[in-house]
Amino acid sequence: GQQVMQIPQYQHVQEGEDFTTYCNSSTTLSNIQWYKQRPGGHPVFLIQLVKSGEVKKQKRLTFQFGEAKKNSSLHITATQTTDVGTYFCAGPRLHSGNTPLVFGKGTRLSVIA
Amino acid sequence: SQTIHQWPATLVQPVGSPLSLECTVEGTSNPNLYWYRQAAGRGLQLLFYSVGIGQISSEVPQNLSASRPQDRQFILSSKKLLLSDSGFYLCAWSGGRSGNTIYFGEGSWLTVV
Repeated sequence: GQQVMQIPQYQHVQEGEDFTTYCNSSTTLSNIQWYKQRPGGHPVFLIQLVKSGEVKKQKRLTFQFGEAKKNSSLHITATQTTDVGTYFCAGPRLHSGNTPLVFGKGTRLSVIA
Repeated sequence: SQTIHQWPATLVQPVGSPLSLECTVEGTSNPNLYWYRQAAGRGLQLLFYSVGIGQISSEVPQNLSASRPQDRQFILSSKKLLLSDSGFYLCAWSGGRSGNTIYFGEGSWLTVV
């Protein structure tokens, strides 16, 4: 079946270091979304990418959608303790309109001050 | 603006007892509604989703059930809880102008003892 895979599963970084998580889909995606879940909280929508090769930035976060629309990445420059949490990517299911999304298993980021 | 309310926030239930988690969405009509479960430190497991009143799709066979008695109300139930039902349960919605972006409630922590 359709799969969305994320690597790494965990990442520990020193504060100030950069961080990247990668998302790969077994199928071409019409769009991809990223969510962040703080410890003890609920996932919160960050951004949606739609176009092939699209790059979007939110302050220190850079999101990229691959040319083939099968992969995506989230890069955080100079991590801060506020970046701690689990980052999920998600894409639409095939043949079901746009619902429900298929989520990756997430990358849990720890930042050591 | 749209809001989602989910309750109770936490509960501790004995094995074999029933369960009822409720969720309501305000500020939108005919939303797609979802129940997810997240085991400690794990990814998001889609349990049920609904595209309309009385329309429930089950993703994972288990002793849980869902109902949608009203357009913006979604209920997760169990007749007899198992230890393995412990986890973080998240209600969510999508639809309208937000497309397939998913907005999560604050979650319910369930501990079965």
